[in-house]
Amino acid sequence: ILNVEQSPQSLHVQEGDSTNFTCSFPSSNFYALHWYRWETAKSPEALFVMTLNGDEKKKGRISATLNTKEGYSYLYIKGSQPEDSATYLCVDSGGYQKVTFGIGTKLQVIP
Amino acid sequence: NAGVTQTPKFQVLKTGQSMTLQCAQDMNHEYMSWYRQDPGMGLRLIHYSVGAGITDQGEVPNGYNVSRSTTEDFPLRLLSAAPSQTSVYFCASSSDRDHEQFFGPGTRLTVL
Repeated sequence: ILNVEQSPQSLHVQEGDSTNFTCSFPSSNFYALHWYRWETAKSPEALFVMTLNGDEKKKGRISATLNTKEGYSYLYIKGSQPEDSATYLCVDSGGYQKVTFGIGTKLQVIP
Repeated sequence: NAGVTQTPKFQVLKTGQSMTLQCAQDMNHEYMSWYRQDPGMGLRLIHYSVGAGITDQGEVPNGYNVSRSTTEDFPLRLLSAAPSQTSVYFCASSSDRDHEQFFGPGTRLTVL
């Protein structure tokens, strides 16, 4: 993996369903991984900053895990709500001058 | 706190014109960055600053200049606008390099 890759690029889920998506990043020279939530017509807002292999972080119904050895992170949303509809960005912060954003996963929660 | 503010929100330029995008933050953050967002691509780093008086290039610096004379302000200058610079520009700040970034509302720039 040379860049940050996120999958899927988009998905639609029904309200109440749980969902997850993946961020893959170069496992060498890892420094920190960030997740941001980006609603349409707004600015990205930070969800999590993760630095240690095995990290698990949680904020309400949203949680994330980190595997630095294999270079991936999962974001989970439990019981999706329409207000969860947004693009979720993964960012590899390999030192400040090597900030690499993924394209994002666009989530649409259908009421 | 206003957080990170950007002006203008929208701007239309003709090829060859110059302009400055303003960015200010009131959180006393040392780190500030400029990104551009283009369709089908992730946010790309243009320039960044780790403190007043210190700036450095990011991934796509060509055609842009920055300065950081105060902790609060980090303007981005387009020297001679080109259609390829049509984009949405975001300014961000953080207290440390591995801390969360706070983003401004963005400036939508069109170069004709």
